[in-house]
Amino acid sequence: SYVLTQPPSVSVAPGKTARITCGGNNIGSKSVHWYQQKPGQAPVLVIYYDSDRPSGIPERFSGSNSGNTATLTISRVEAGDEADYYCQVWDSSSDHPVVFGGGTKLTVL
Amino acid sequence: EVQLVESGGGLVQPGGSLRLSCAASGFTFSDHYMDWVRQAPGKGLEWVGRTRNKANSYTTEYAASVKGRFTISRDDSKNSLYLQMNSLKTEDTAVYYCARTPALDWYFDLWGRGTLVTVSS
Repeated sequence: SYVLTQPPSVSVAPGKTARITCGGNNIGSKSVHWYQQKPGQAPVLVIYYDSDRPSGIPERFSGSNSGNTATLTISRVEAGDEADYYCQVWDSSSDHPVVFGGGTKLTVL
Repeated sequence: EVQLVESGGGLVQPGGSLRLSCAASGFTFSDHYMDWVRQAPGKGLEWVGRTRNKANSYTTEYAASVKGRFTISRDDSKNSLYLQMNSLKTEDTAVYYCARTPALDWYFDLWGRGTLVTVSS
């Protein structure tokens, strides 16, 4: 089955840029979606179709996808961005067609 | 208000059954596909399965880990989604979220707050 690999943790100072990667075999050929999950809360969609933002998500959140890596970029990081972030794709060939990455804990220093 | 509210979680013994419900409000429930996603304590997200809408014959799909044990259904007249879980195993312990999917698509644009299912003797 298809595997998505995320770094377990990323740390960034307030006001700086955080980049969270999501690796997968030829992931650039798939559509990647990203979710933010704060402690004790449900996930929230922050990026869909690689780089689209749902209404209400700040422009500071952006996404890209090419080759074997998709990236969620958070500019001008704020304390409130501290959360777990998950990437997700659809893999039609898998018995688990919805595949999530293992998640990345973003820590704002 | 646009929201999903899960209920029905609790403690159940291995081999037992449980039925979860998800009440939708604030949007046209019948237009959407609906999915269940779970999260074991301290772990990541795992897709459980989905039901499509009436236009797509209410067809369902399941993850291999639950296929044959779990059944997803919906009642559009009640704006409700259900997850019938049978032959529960300890590894089914998780928070179960219902999630809304745009029809024909494979991402989740609205999530409920979840309900905890604990399978333990």
